[in-house]
Amino acid sequence: EIVMTQSPATLSVSPGERATLSCRASQSVSSNLAWYQQKPGQAPRLLIFGASTRATGIPARFSGSGSATEFTLTISSLQSEDFALYYCQQYDVWPRTFGRGTKVEIK
Amino acid sequence: QVQLQQWGAGLLKPSETLSLDCAVYDGSFSGHSWTWIRQTPGKGLECIGEINPSGSPNYNPSLKSRLTISLDTSKNQFSLRLSSVTAADTGVYYCARGGGRLPTGTSWYYLYYVNIWAIGTTVTVSS
Repeated sequence: EIVMTQSPATLSVSPGERATLSCRASQSVSSNLAWYQQKPGQAPRLLIFGASTRATGIPARFSGSGSATEFTLTISSLQSEDFALYYCQQYDVWPRTFGRGTKVEIK
Repeated sequence: QVQLQQWGAGLLKPSETLSLDCAVYDGSFSGHSWTWIRQTPGKGLECIGEINPSGSPNYNPSLKSRLTISLDTSKNQFSLRLSSVTAADTGVYYCARGGGRLPTGTSWYYLYYVNIWAIGTTVTVSS
């Protein structure tokens, strides 16, 4: 199965600053990469699919880039509601696999 | 607004069968894939299995011998059955909807990212 590796595990950022999260796939997944946000006690929420397409209702401060094995999620100016866990997922092949997540915390 | 509502027993003993069902409200059932995902302390988020109306289900190889996923299109529901559970199966189980499908001439290309999640069921396996 494809292993998804996210870095860093924890990212400490001040409100208003930029956050850059990385995700690496153990083999190419083309652009079949999604990003999700999860807050405590809630189900994950889709942010990005197709590596760079924002899901419905997702603010423009969230952007995704990359292809093949290297991907990035950027939050341009962190708002208080953005402090959460973020996961990447490849959906190119079965089994679809997730990374272990990056926790974005308040600095 | 599409909603997913799931239900099933949350407390099981080892060797019992986990049974969860998920109903789809106010949305297209035939135009999407349907997935079961769990979140455990040991493995994080894990796709258990998926199914679309066009074909056979896909099962996670690590669970395949114990797993059954099925669709009931007449009720807009899909279900999960996981037999012989152990403590390692403890976690939060989500039913979820895939991103839709695209025509490919004679067939459909399903998009397997997850864009709708149910709220989840906490399952605990303990003697």
